[in-house]
Amino acid sequence: EVQLVESGGGLVQPGGSLRLSCAASGFNFSSYNMNWVRQAPGKGLEWVSYISSTSGTIYYADSLKGRFTISRDNAKNSLYLQMSSLRAEDTAVYYCARDATVVIGATDFDFWGQGTLVTVSS
Amino acid sequence: DIQMTQSPSSLSASVGDRVTITCQASQDITNYLSWYQQKPGKAPKLLIYDVSILETGVPARFSGSGSGTHFTFTINNLQPEDIATYYCQQYDDLPITFGQGTRLEIK
Repeated sequence: EVQLVESGGGLVQPGGSLRLSCAASGFNFSSYNMNWVRQAPGKGLEWVSYISSTSGTIYYADSLKGRFTISRDNAKNSLYLQMSSLRAEDTAVYYCARDATVVIGATDFDFWGQGTLVTVSS
Repeated sequence: DIQMTQSPSSLSASVGDRVTITCQASQDITNYLSWYQQKPGKAPKLLIYDVSILETGVPARFSGSGSGTHFTFTINNLQPEDIATYYCQQYDDLPITFGQGTRLEIK
């Protein structure tokens, strides 16, 4: 059974940093491209970042302006999102999501984690 | 960026009804469109990809159609468990973008 389990969320002050993790199991993690998607409270879905299976291709939403860094460790079946210079508008549930296909670039997402809540507030 | 305009934003229907949601893309996305269901407090679930292909295990009362810039998502014979918010998503190009969602309620 495919499982994606996020962790690392919590309350952080504006300007602070946080590292999210996503532990994958039930599939060959190293073969799949992965994403982070976020959802502000009561709002819609916003794609955040993409990383290819080998970490060779990485994309970010323009709105992040270099504050977030996506990475992965295939040996540990884990995906990460390092977030810095956090702002109130980064408050959201952050989901990791698996690409449905193995092609490089945009695709749909066939499995999602349960999400981890990041709250940026003083 | 490709803008996805989804309508309506909310919808109330009765059990057994047919429900239709539309999604308009700001440019041609060929067939790179999917639909997700999100129940309160849960992660989104992929229902349909490539406009009209049902994900494994998804009931046949869900369907999708369209091409280019105009797409439709339909639920036939609405069931109580279909209460959720539904999102369209384009994956023709990065950044991936979603519609703003349609909140479906049962009368």
